[in-house]
Amino acid sequence: ETGVTQTPRHLVMGMTNKKSLKCEQHLGHNAMYWYKQSAKKPLELMFVYSLEERVENNSVPSRFSPECPNSSHLFLHLHTLQPEDSALYLCASSQDRKGAAVETQYFGPGTRLLVL
Amino acid sequence: TQLLEQSPQFLSIQEGENLTVYCNSSSVFSSLQWYRQEPGEGPVLLVTVVTGGEVKKLKRLTFQFGDARKDSSLHITAAQPGDTGLYLCAGDNYGQNFVFGPGTRLSVLP
Repeated sequence: ETGVTQTPRHLVMGMTNKKSLKCEQHLGHNAMYWYKQSAKKPLELMFVYSLEERVENNSVPSRFSPECPNSSHLFLHLHTLQPEDSALYLCASSQDRKGAAVETQYFGPGTRLLVL
Repeated sequence: TQLLEQSPQFLSIQEGENLTVYCNSSSVFSSLQWYRQEPGEGPVLLVTVVTGGEVKKLKRLTFQFGDARKDSSLHITAAQPGDTGLYLCAGDNYGQNFVFGPGTRLSVLP
């Protein structure tokens, strides 16, 4: 089983739809992350969970709602998105939440989202 | 807000050539990482540099962290088509925040 998996790999949705992105890690890690990768822009950290508790929320619009039911699973619930939300959404995990030393993050393949 | 700039934005070279890509900031970082991202995949960590002036080698890849810990370079010797991808640098500020640069998109032609 690969380290970090994401489903679906591709998603097309209308602005009135509700959908969810799923991430699963098989590495026994305690921290999980959602990133947004848009064309020509740096990866943007959206949410960080450590031991199933949200520890960071970087001014993300409320139309994005994360959920971490356990340390292996992370969801991103989407509703009433805008076309500018079209991007690659990447999930990552690390052994622990970054502290004084940088933790190695393991990324999933991403979900390519298109909002029409 | 700490920002990382990367140059060049795009680079297309022939197989066998050498190249260097750069990651620069006006801020000091406690550590810096380099990732490679291939099409359809997430980024994969290549190296972490922590000490100013540090040089690390990974086969044909040489990474250097600037003395002042504000910049870094990645040098590839005898590039191969398998080196094609998006190279991202990411800096950590003592665990306070972690930012990525926009990346250098490298294409190595056979």
